[in-house]
Amino acid sequence: RKEVEQDPGPFNVPEGATVAFNCTYSNSASQSFFWYRQDCRKEPKLLMSVYSSGNEDGRFTAQLNRASQYISLLIRDSKLSDSATYLCVADALIQGAQKLVFGQGTRLTINP
Amino acid sequence: NAGVTQTPKFRILKIGQSMTLQCAQDMNHNYMYWYRQDPGMGLKLIYYSVGAGITDKGEVPNGYNVSRSTTEDFPLRLELAAPSQTSVYFCASIDLAGTNTEAFFGQGTRLTVV
Repeated sequence: RKEVEQDPGPFNVPEGATVAFNCTYSNSASQSFFWYRQDCRKEPKLLMSVYSSGNEDGRFTAQLNRASQYISLLIRDSKLSDSATYLCVADALIQGAQKLVFGQGTRLTINP
Repeated sequence: NAGVTQTPKFRILKIGQSMTLQCAQDMNHNYMYWYRQDPGMGLKLIYYSVGAGITDKGEVPNGYNVSRSTTEDFPLRLELAAPSQTSVYFCASIDLAGTNTEAFFGQGTRLTVV
């Protein structure tokens, strides 16, 4: 089982729609979770951190469910500029070192 | 403050050649990582370092070597390039001494082995 699993998509949704992604993680020792955004042929950039019960940033809401070991990302009122790949990331302290484990990424295309 | 700088941006290697991918950060971060990303896939950890003089293997270390003689630099070495190493390579750094655990990435190195 992969440490961090995501549905790779692609998700094609119309502009203005609400879209949600889920991500599951297998390491119960993971403490911090993140969503990164990656545009085509670019480096990943932090979209949101997800701590404890989750958080909201404008049109984006991230939720964490520790019992079921999954996190989610909700995008409301989607814009054309939201088209990108969204990477789910979990960190874990393993043998005294902190590692970031990335999911495969979910590709999202917002259509006009 | 340049962040994380990777060089080169692009490179074509012949099978069996060697090269070093350079990575430098000016944020005084302790943790640095090397990832590779194959088409349509997520990032896989090659090697990481928790500080100067300390390195360890990640998920896919075979065919690579690293060193961390200074806090700033974390070069990745390919000794005998193989077609399977064709990928995009990303270097990242994190400051785990503070409360912000955001990872900062370099712009990537696109490597093709032919």
